[in-house]
Amino acid sequence: DIQMTQSPSSLSASVGDRVTITCRASQGIRNYLAWFQQKPGKAPKSLISAASSLQSGVPSKFSGSGSGTDFTLTISSLQPEDFATYYCQQYDNYPLTFGGGTKVEIK
Amino acid sequence: EVQLMESGGGLVQPGGSLRLSCAASGFTFSDHYMDWVRQAPGKGLEWVARTRNKANGHTTEYAASVKDRFTISRDDSKNSLYLQMNSLNTEDTAVYYCVRGSRDSSGYYNFDYWGQGTLVTVSS
Repeated sequence: DIQMTQSPSSLSASVGDRVTITCRASQGIRNYLAWFQQKPGKAPKSLISAASSLQSGVPSKFSGSGSGTDFTLTISSLQPEDFATYYCQQYDNYPLTFGGGTKVEIK
Repeated sequence: EVQLMESGGGLVQPGGSLRLSCAASGFTFSDHYMDWVRQAPGKGLEWVARTRNKANGHTTEYAASVKDRFTISRDDSKNSLYLQMNSLNTEDTAVYYCVRGSRDSSGYYNFDYWGQGTLVTVSS
């Protein structure tokens, strides 16, 4: 199975900060990497697919990059509604696997 | 508007069975892959199973943790997805999400829309 490792597992940031979350795959996954946002008590929301393609309706403050084994999710200017847990996920091979999540909290 | 509505969750004893359903609307169901993803209380996301679309023969994939116990199926005429869960154990306790799969810019299918989830609790 491909292991997905996110770092950090949590971070504290202020409104307006630029935030970067890293995701590393245990083997190359080309660009088959997605990012999801989950708020407490809610279903996940799809943000990005194919490492860098924004899902419909997702604001451009979110961006993704990377290929192979190393990927990043960047939020350009953190807003109150962005405080949530973020997950990466690979879909190059079965079983589909997720990272452990990064909780973004208010400083 | 894409809508996915899960049902069928509840409390079941270890060793028991449960069948989850997902009613889909707002899109051409037969064109899409469909998945089940679960989340144990306070934990991360775990992919459970996938059924491919009609064009790909409705073939299926499973996580090792549920293979031979769970069966994913779909009825395109009813725009519905199912998950038959047998031999349940306490580790299957989770919120189960119905998730739509769509082709991305690379041509691979992955998750785009999620239902609100249904809670399955396995306990004596």
